[in-house]
Amino acid sequence: GQQVMQIPQYQHVQEGEDFTTYCNSSTTLSNIQWYKQRPGGHPVFLIQLVKSGEVKKQKRLTFQFGEAKKNSSLHITATQTTDVGTYFCAGLYGNKLVFGAGTILRVKS
Amino acid sequence: DGGITQSPKYLFRKEGQNVTLSCEQNLNHDAMYWYRQDPGQGLRLIYYSQIVNDFQKGDIAEGYSVSREKKESFPLTVTSAQKNPTAFYLCASSIDRMGIEAFFGQGTRLTVV
Repeated sequence: GQQVMQIPQYQHVQEGEDFTTYCNSSTTLSNIQWYKQRPGGHPVFLIQLVKSGEVKKQKRLTFQFGEAKKNSSLHITATQTTDVGTYFCAGLYGNKLVFGAGTILRVKS
Repeated sequence: DGGITQSPKYLFRKEGQNVTLSCEQNLNHDAMYWYRQDPGQGLRLIYYSQIVNDFQKGDIAEGYSVSREKKESFPLTVTSAQKNPTAFYLCASSIDRMGIEAFFGQGTRLTVV
């Protein structure tokens, strides 16, 4: 079936450092979505990217969608302790929303 | 308040028993999904439904069954055929077939004892 590969699996950063997680698909995606799951919680939608080469920003978060619509990244500038959690990308293949394995972010203060 | 509700939050099952997890939404969403979450493996799609009375298997449907008799409800049955059912189960819905912005329930943590 369709797969979305996400790396890294874990990342521990010092507060104030930057963080990036990457997603790759072997096939072209209709769109890609990003979610955040706080420890003990459920995934919460962050953003959706649809267009080839699209870049969107939400405060310290920058989301990119590749030109071929097969890869995406989420970059957090100057991490804070409130950024801790697992970040998932999710690719839309037809009518199926397929999630990556997620990147667990830990922030040391 | 509109939202998606899963119940129960915690569920214990004896081996060999079937158990049904509830998922209800009042968002008037067409599409609904069931995912299973295991540590280190992210969310894996079990079943999804785009419209009432229709559903499709996801990547790990074996040992599970669903129904979609009403737009608001998408219950998941974990059968005794599921070899490793202990996991965190998440239900989600989105406004239409294209899976735009999925809203998740709080999840049900199932433990087989």
